[in-house]
Amino acid sequence: GAVVSQHPSRVICKSGTSVKIECRSLDFQATTMFWYRQFPKQSLMLMATSNEGSKATYEQGVEKDKFLINHASLTLSTLTVTSAHPEDSSFYICSARDGAGYDEKLFFGSGTQLSVL
Amino acid sequence: QKEVEQNSGPLSVPEGAIASLNCTYSDRGSQSFFWYRQYSGKSPELIMFIYSNGDKEDGRFTAQLNKASQYVSLLIRDSQPSDSATYLCAVNSLDYKLSFGAGTTVTVRA
Repeated sequence: GAVVSQHPSRVICKSGTSVKIECRSLDFQATTMFWYRQFPKQSLMLMATSNEGSKATYEQGVEKDKFLINHASLTLSTLTVTSAHPEDSSFYICSARDGAGYDEKLFFGSGTQLSVL
Repeated sequence: QKEVEQNSGPLSVPEGAIASLNCTYSDRGSQSFFWYRQYSGKSPELIMFIYSNGDKEDGRFTAQLNKASQYVSLLIRDSQPSDSATYLCAVNSLDYKLSFGAGTTVTVRA
């Protein structure tokens, strides 16, 4: 399947700092990428849809000023958690879709475990 | 609201047995259905997808879809300890925002 690379895999930071997470599609172009958050023993929660060359679309309840998304190219989307606080500690996962029509599938990056002290 | 329901488990099966996982969904407009496997601390890995009614087999995995009943299942034959993981059912509608179930935890006993 398609390869989606996500960095860093783990971040530990102090409260109030900003953290940037990168998501790259390595062997395909992704006009749309998705950012998810997952708390322990819970399912994936879609945070936002990242669209290349335009503004991201955020899900209800997700603060766009706190979770900045930039999709500057067809292979790179970034999520910046601004002024992180302990409640932002979570597993963040990006994904990108490859294929078209019924052959379209979603592939995930390896995830970033964010721990805010 | 799109909902995807799964039994949370844990589902415990002996090695070599068949593990059967079930998933129901509420959106009748759903087009594609996916099963992801997620190991603890790792991101989900796509293992099966299906969009036509009936069965689809891939190795030890069989996905079954019944759109009339809004039901999709995953069978794991000859279960191995390495199959121990959480299995996420995901349903895609026309806007391609996947809706995920909470996942079923499977434990294969050696």
